[in-house]
Amino acid sequence: DTAVSQTPKYLVTQMGNDKSIKCEQNLGHDTMYWYKQDSKKFLKIMFSYNNKELIINETVPNRFSPKSPDKAHLNLHINSLELGDSAVYFCASSQGAGATYEQYFGPGTRLTVT
Amino acid sequence: GEDVEQSLFLSVREGDSSVINCTYTDSSSTYLYWYKQEPGAGLQLLTYIFSNMDMKQDQRLTVLLNKKDKHLSLRIADTQTGDSAIYFCAWGPFIGGGNKLTFGTGTQLKVEL
Repeated sequence: DTAVSQTPKYLVTQMGNDKSIKCEQNLGHDTMYWYKQDSKKFLKIMFSYNNKELIINETVPNRFSPKSPDKAHLNLHINSLELGDSAVYFCASSQGAGATYEQYFGPGTRLTVT
Repeated sequence: GEDVEQSLFLSVREGDSSVINCTYTDSSSTYLYWYKQEPGAGLQLLTYIFSNMDMKQDQRLTVLLNKKDKHLSLRIADTQTGDSAIYFCAWGPFIGGGNKLTFGTGTQLKVEL
């Protein structure tokens, strides 16, 4: 009965490769997010979708492309991976996009680029 | 992180109170949050406070907001070993601006017996 799940949990790959991280929520939420947490634990939002539409798009290289096939899924595809992409990527969801809605986080995907 | 700063580490003894501090620069948002991250896990919302409040108490947790000094704190009473985690403050969004959170740099709390 996991609320927000991510796959894979760990991902080790070489520079230049293309990889995807998947996120699914079974909470019936309308809004989903991707965050990046670097090695110093600094956490920064990357994208947010509300009802499958992009509402937040921070300054992220266009090698990163989110895709939301339906409200329950938000996947993150990364092209031409670089060493600096190594981080933990967290997916989150909330009932709506307003300020009072709690964000529920997934367990994270640790991406290591060698 | 560049808008919200926290001290990196805090060590307390079990049973003592813990106070985690957060200093921010952007005063135009509406909500402030405290999140907890346990090892290998995602973030969990602990509590939040509306920007027109000075204090909020929720069981062992007390949040204090000093808007003049742009200072937010989280006090955990009777700290337990299960409270050991990283604590992030976060600065909420503008009204109508979507749920865009800015997170602090995180404070690692270690509770010793």
